[in-house]
Amino acid sequence: GAVVSQHPSWVICKSGTSVKIECRSLDFQATTMFWYRQFPKQSLMLMATSNEGSKATYEQGVEKDKFLINHASLTLSTLTVTSAHPEDSSFYICSALETVHYGYTFGSGTRLTVV
Amino acid sequence: GDSVTQMEGPVTLSEEAFLTINCTYTATGYPSLFWYVQYPGEGLQLLLKATKADDKGSNKGFEATYRKETTSFHLEKGSVQVSDSAVYFCALRGNTGFQKLVFGTGTRLLVSP
Repeated sequence: GAVVSQHPSWVICKSGTSVKIECRSLDFQATTMFWYRQFPKQSLMLMATSNEGSKATYEQGVEKDKFLINHASLTLSTLTVTSAHPEDSSFYICSALETVHYGYTFGSGTRLTVV
Repeated sequence: GDSVTQMEGPVTLSEEAFLTINCTYTATGYPSLFWYVQYPGEGLQLLLKATKADDKGSNKGFEATYRKETTSFHLEKGSVQVSDSAVYFCALRGNTGFQKLVFGTGTRLLVSP
């Protein structure tokens, strides 16, 4: 079946630094990738939708200069949290969409802690 | 806009009990409906789905029927196991051309031996 690899699974960084999270579809090409943020005991909040080779579409209220999304190929999307602050600490999950066979496949998530 | 409403949890059951997690939705047209499961510290896994009215999705003993008349997609299982303890999310994908999923708030299920 379809597998999406998300790395790192957890990261601790200092306030003010930047962190990059990778989302890679291992055995299929994803037409679209999604980035979500999940707060403790809450649902997934869609942050942005990205298509290969084009700019990401951000949801209302999500700072695009803070959460940089790059979707350079059909198998790789990255989310960079720039100048991270403690309030950015959260669980980030990516999802890749392949419309013919697999539908939506989710990564295992990245726990970001900013200290 | 599209939205999904789930019953609040946690739902606490004993092993072999019957499970129902309610889910209702608001959407124009005929959305596709999904149930996802999330185990602690992990991403989401697709549990089942239905793409049109009266479709029944099923997997691992779980079932849900797409009810257009009541705009519902309730999740059921006849006999839960301790290993079913997780958070369950109901979601929809509208048919407006956008591919994004809209999630409910999630329902935590705790099954005790």
